Amino acid sequence: SAVISQKPSRDICQRGTSLTIQCQVDSQVTMMFWYRQQPGQSLTLIATANQGSEATYESGFVIDKFPISRPNLTFSTLTVSNMSPEDSSIYLCSVRRQGEGWNYGYTFGSGTRLTVV
Amino acid sequence: GENVEQHPSTLSVQEGDSAVIKCTYSDSASNYFPWYKQELGKGPQLIIDIRSNVGEKKDQRIAVTLNKTAKHFSLHITETQPEDSAVYFCAARSTGTASKLTFGTGTRLQVTL
Repeated sequence: SAVISQKPSRDICQRGTSLTIQCQVDSQVTMMFWYRQQPGQSLTLIATANQGSEATYESGFVIDKFPISRPNLTFSTLTVSNMSPEDSSIYLCSVRRQGEGWNYGYTFGSGTRLTVV
Repeated sequence: GENVEQHPSTLSVQEGDSAVIKCTYSDSASNYFPWYKQELGKGPQLIIDIRSNVGEKKDQRIAVTLNKTAKHFSLHITETQPEDSAVYFCAARSTGTASKLTFGTGTRLQVTL
């Protein structure tokens, strides 16, 4: 399966500021996703990062708050903008590797633990 | 859209016993069902998955069963060990949702000595 490097692993940020999270994959992947996991909760999809075009956002998530870039098939960033304490969560990058065929191969990074104070 | 329900939310078993976690899904078009294990401070790790054309799949102490008619699938862990203690998530992928996974609410499994 693909190996994902996600940075930073954790951060404590002041409200009103922004944080950019990076996701680097060791091989080309078809699809990249960003999830949010609030404390003790399940995973909620924020958006699908599309290479060369705007990300596809899920209901309740908007580009102004969570701008996403994906310049190539191995890298993506998620920015959490104008942060408030309610944004304190774990943010996870996930990928589906190209050419898996029937092995859908959804792999997750180790996550970024964000605390907003 | 797809909705996945997972039960129980917490499960405590003694070492050596079996553990069963159950999930139901709403979209009959879903065709892929992975299970993830998440340990404290780590990202989810895929432990087993099953496609809609298969009724059961086993990998050592872990097995997954799928009932398409009833739209439910289950994770079975036999001979549990303390290192099995973690949060387990089921998920479903529908063919009509651009490859995205919908997750269950999670089950915290505690294996006691």
